[in-house]
Amino acid sequence: DQQVKQNSPSLSVQEGRISILNCDYTNSMFDYFLWYKKYPAEGPTFLISISSIKDKNEDGRFTVFLNKSAKHLSLHIVPSQPGDSAVYFCAAMDTGNQFYFGTGTSLTVIP
Amino acid sequence: DAGVIQSPRHEVTEMGQEVTLRCKPISGHDYLFWYRQTMMRGLELLIYFNNNVPIDDSGMPEDRFSAKMPNASFSTLKIQPSEPRDSAVYFCASSRDRSYGYTFGSGTRLTVV
Repeated sequence: DQQVKQNSPSLSVQEGRISILNCDYTNSMFDYFLWYKKYPAEGPTFLISISSIKDKNEDGRFTVFLNKSAKHLSLHIVPSQPGDSAVYFCAAMDTGNQFYFGTGTSLTVIP
Repeated sequence: DAGVIQSPRHEVTEMGQEVTLRCKPISGHDYLFWYRQTMMRGLELLIYFNNNVPIDDSGMPEDRFSAKMPNASFSTLKIQPSEPRDSAVYFCASSRDRSYGYTFGSGTRLTVV
């Protein structure tokens, strides 16, 4: 059973606008969450993370929000740029340091 | 579907020993990937297969690492001899399409002492 879900396979956004990528999880024992970005022909690269004791973490144009009661997190990219076009993976880590990945959302930023 | 299955979940071994990690991809997925996750380097692609054939092994760190996929439902990653710097979480992932829709296994946490 998929414990981390990204229900939107793809997303298209105009350059300069906000991109919002969503992720849901089922295991309340997850205590650390990460977003990875992946370009074609490359492996995923780490983007931003958040601990379960926080509800927001910001790094430049990227902000991750965590809603523990809803078991939901989101990645906001603002303003979106064409170079942000990639596949974004949500991942969660449990207290045993095991990782669980979502299946990814393909973001296309239209110039 | 049970997803991508990796075994073992945890492996602790002594330096110099051979380690074999196993992966069962999702049925019907033609691509299989092996990744290594470390705090220093994040997630690194080691090798990937398409239809059981190794396509790109440029990420394999050195000759001590080898990977095989004898059939569509099974792959192994072997380290011989293992070294402490090999300690990491190793992920297997499978996909219908190489650029999208990966499903990751839960990983194998390898500790070499």
